[in-house]
Amino acid sequence: DTGVSQNPRHKITKRGQNVTFRCDPISEHNRLYWYRQTLGQGPEFLTYFQNEAQLEKSRLLSDRFSAERPKGSFSTLEIQRTEQGDSAMYLCASSIALGFSGNTIYFGEGSWLTVV
Amino acid sequence: SQQGEEDPQALSIQEGENATMNCSYKTSINNLQWYRQNSGRGLVHLILIRSNEREKHSGRLRVTLDTSKKSSSLLITASRAADTASYFCATERMDSSYKLIFGSGTRLLVRP
Repeated sequence: DTGVSQNPRHKITKRGQNVTFRCDPISEHNRLYWYRQTLGQGPEFLTYFQNEAQLEKSRLLSDRFSAERPKGSFSTLEIQRTEQGDSAMYLCASSIALGFSGNTIYFGEGSWLTVV
Repeated sequence: SQQGEEDPQALSIQEGENATMNCSYKTSINNLQWYRQNSGRGLVHLILIRSNEREKHSGRLRVTLDTSKKSSSLLITASRAADTASYFCATERMDSSYKLIFGSGTRLLVRP
């Protein structure tokens, strides 16, 4: 299967610890997105990359959050000094830029974070 | 911030009936997309409709878009128990950098 892959799928961590999630996009997709979703809500945009460049960051992405996409392939999302409010599902998605709007964005299965 | 709002928030129907979900949004868009999400899973893309289109079909799905009213609807015909899921509309705004802004979703329950 060549869909968007996320690891780990589940993570339980103690408050104050750092966590890192990895996303492998669909091969040849040059855009990569991170979203966060809490129970009963729709996904909220966090940040997105085109190739290795991080082009936009939401105000939701505090200083404790950092995302990278070295070499424009996989991406990592790190949360430092986790807080209970960080508990959510973190979704990665990718798409291919074809020079016009209306590109389908494909999502991974998400990474669940529980901060205790 | 959420761009779209789905209506109703929850919908319960009998298998075989049609399900209609509505989405309203606030700003001008390039396109609107509908996604489905089973409990605890990722989102599955259903259909994309561009701002210059009024209606699209895909299998048992029919999507309409009214840009003058800033609204869209998703119709699922002849529903099945397997259609039970949350459905989200997402918009790519004209001033956006290709990201999608999601609504809060409609939770659909199809009773067998």
